This record gives sequence, C-alpha cells and structure tokens, in this order.
Amino acid sequence: GAVVSQHPSWVICKSGTSVKIECRSLDFQATTMFWYRQFPKQSLMLMATSNEGSKATYEQGVEKDKFLINHASLTLSTLTVTSAHPEDSSFYICSATPEADEQFFGPGTRLTVL
Amino acid sequence: KQEVTQIPAALSVPEGENLVLNCSFTDSAIYNLQWFRQDPGKGLTSLLLIQSSQREQTSGRLNASLDKSSGRSTLYIAASQPGDSATYLCAACTGNQFYFGTGTSLTVIP
Repeated sequence: GAVVSQHPSWVICKSGTSVKIECRSLDFQATTMFWYRQFPKQSLMLMATSNEGSKATYEQGVEKDKFLINHASLTLSTLTVTSAHPEDSSFYICSATPEADEQFFGPGTRLTVL
Repeated sequence: KQEVTQIPAALSVPEGENLVLNCSFTDSAIYNLQWFRQDPGKGLTSLLLIQSSQREQTSGRLNASLDKSSGRSTLYIAASQPGDSATYLCAACTGNQFYFGTGTSLTVIP
C-alpha cells in the first residue's frame, strides 16, 4: 500500500523557536496533502489542505502566519510552526491522497514546546 | 457543517467478546466513510473504507456497515483480542475533507 512518512517523529524545542515538519509520500504522487492536529483526548482536527504548487487552504481558526505550509513537489509538504509556544504542543499528522478517494496517513510528529 | 459522533466514548470488554462501535453523521452527502485505529502516541491506521455506494466492507475480524440514509455506520469486531485495544475513529469524507468523530477507546481485558 501507499506509504507516507513524517520527519521528525518527535521534537522538543524551546519557546520562541520555529520547527519544520516534513511529510513525504514515498511511492506515489500526491497532488493534495492534509495537515491535522490532535490535542490529548480530542479528535483529529484538520488544519489545512495543501495543494502542490499553490497556497494552502487553512481551516477557520488556524493562523496561516503561524503554521506555514509549503507543498513544493508532488511528494513533499512541510509544516513550519513559527515562534512555537507551549500551547502549540500537540500531535501533528499529515495525510496524502493519490486520488480523491482514500487518504494515507503519516505516522505523526509529536511536538513538545518547553 | 458535517458533525460526526461516536458512541460509546469508551468500552471495556473481556477477551473473546464480539462488539459494535457506532458512528453517526449529520450530512448524508458523503463521498465515503473510513474507520481508523489509533494506538497511543501514534498515527492513524486505516482499517476499512466504505464508498458511499457500498453497504459494508469486511477485513478479517472487522466488518463495517454504512447506512447513508440514516447517517450511521457501525464497526463490528468479532472475537476481540487484547491487541485490539486502541482508539477507533470514524471519519466521514465529503470530497477531499474528512470530518472525524471523537473516537471510542476500546480496552479488551485478557
């Protein structure tokens, strides 16, 4: 099956620093990638939809200047959390779709901001 | 806006029991419905995908059904095992957007 990877799997950073998370589709091209965030004991929440070569579409309440998304190629999307604060600590998951059908999810990145 | 609800929020059963997890959604205009498994601290594992034109899908001990008209899906797990302990999420897909339920936390007691 299709494989999506994320890097890093776990990152700890100091408050005020920026963190970049990579999402790669390893064996297929993904015109669309999605970024989700999950706080403890809550469901996944869609943050943004990323289309290759165009600007990401952010969900209501998600700050686009804080969560920078770049989808530079058909196999790579990056999420940069700028000036991270402790309240940004969360589990970030990306997914990619080769078609408008099934989504394939990455293993997630756990971000801890001290 | 699509709202997805899962009942129960938590479930604890002895090993070997058959069980049913419920998922309901408010907008029947879905493209497909997907069931996922999430282990603590890890990403999602897709279990079953049901297209809007289908009624059910089966994979091993898992069977998922879909009734679009009533806005319901169920995940049936047969002969539960301790390894089935996890959080189970359903997600309704409208086009390319997924709406997730809050999940059912399942514990299978040996």
